Amino acid sequence: KAGVTQTPRYLIKTRGQQVTLSCSPISGHRSVSWYQQTPGQGLQFLFEYFSETQRNKGNFPGRFSGRQFSNSRSEMNVSTLELGDSALYLCASSLLAGQGGEKLFFGSGTQLSVL
Amino acid sequence: DQQVKQNSPSLSVQEGRISILNCDYTNSMFDYFLWYKKYPAEGPTFLISISSIKDKNEDGRFTVFLNKSAKHLSLHIVPSQPGDSAVYFCAAKNAGNMLTFGGGTRLMVKP
Repeated sequence: KAGVTQTPRYLIKTRGQQVTLSCSPISGHRSVSWYQQTPGQGLQFLFEYFSETQRNKGNFPGRFSGRQFSNSRSEMNVSTLELGDSALYLCASSLLAGQGGEKLFFGSGTQLSVL
Repeated sequence: DQQVKQNSPSLSVQEGRISILNCDYTNSMFDYFLWYKKYPAEGPTFLISISSIKDKNEDGRFTVFLNKSAKHLSLHIVPSQPGDSAVYFCAAKNAGNMLTFGGGTRLMVKP
């Protein structure tokens, strides 16, 4: 069974540009969550989608948005990039809606560098 | 306000000995706690979890202990192996699949 796939693996952008990151969850998984990892702030929750609906959102500005398609694949978009958006963006998938101690499976991430 | 804290940024142990990684939390609404292992530029890998209604869960060399009254959990690795060297994150759940992570502890197991 293939794991969580994130594309692209690396990305370099300049300030002011926008970027779209993609995540394909494990087959059959319906929940997709996004996290940002930076050296200063650690791993922080961005948002979660389940059955194409955003269920939870973290404390990030509106420049960060996402969506989920009917096949459970998800994209996140960051507009008007800032230097501080440089980070490893991680996607996690889960089978169900989060009842109980269900584990999340993470992809390898997209390393975004903003110059 | 950090709801999940790992106060030790690093830990060094000898191969074969026990590694104990600690985590404190403040939100009493967390209902599950999870430990993840992470290598640089890779996604976290799930290790073990525990429900807030239990005080211990064991899986092979890994055991997680939960002390609800102290809002404290710990991960024990026995015996420690060089391949265990990585950054360990504790995480807590209280709503759907939203995880709140601690800052991580870098474990180094010396041969």
